[in-house]
Amino acid sequence: EAQVTQNPRYLITVTGKKLTVTCSQNMNHEYMSWYRQDPGLGLRQIYYSMNVEVTDKGDVPEGYKVSRKEKRNFPLILESPSPNQTSLYFCASSPIRSSGGPDTQYFGPGTRLTVL
Amino acid sequence: AQSVAQPEDQVNVAEGNPLTVKCTYSVSGNPYLFWYVQYPNRGLQFLLKYITGDNLVKGSYGFEAEFNKSQTSFHLKKPSALVSDSALYFCAVRDRTGNQFYFGTGTSLTVIP
Repeated sequence: EAQVTQNPRYLITVTGKKLTVTCSQNMNHEYMSWYRQDPGLGLRQIYYSMNVEVTDKGDVPEGYKVSRKEKRNFPLILESPSPNQTSLYFCASSPIRSSGGPDTQYFGPGTRLTVL
Repeated sequence: AQSVAQPEDQVNVAEGNPLTVKCTYSVSGNPYLFWYVQYPNRGLQFLLKYITGDNLVKGSYGFEAEFNKSQTSFHLKKPSALVSDSALYFCAVRDRTGNQFYFGTGTSLTVIP
């Protein structure tokens, strides 16, 4: 089954304790992305990657890191989480159009993060 | 700056009536436009997209949307609402020259039996 998986689905942590949220896709998509969803703010893009070893900042990259060492994986790293990073996080992947650029995105189930 | 506006946080409609969820956008060039739906405790699912061609786009579950370049709008419509259509709907845009997506704040649709 074609899918995007995220782990963990739920995480409660404390301020300053480094954490990683994993994301993996089995559709051989070049483009992967991370979003955070907050009430009243919708989805905001944190980082995206056009391919292996190519990453770019989205609208809200502060406090986050990503890496793209393999095509299928795109982990999100919070090196020193703070309470304002409490949110619902989504990973997504997309093929690249023949004309260039990403197309329809396929989303993972989400990771609900609480930072105390 | 690129942005998407969904002016209604909440839309209520009676079952069987037509529904409209509004979306307007601002991009520096020509847009790719998308609608996604989110059911409770689930990820987003793709509904439909406008890339080029016919301004009226048909998608999953009987939904359609009309691209209006002059009004920079991409409203989502369905002729006859179902209770199962109740969900959170997001409009998204990408400028053809960029690789970043911009989402609206979402519209919660409730279909009343």
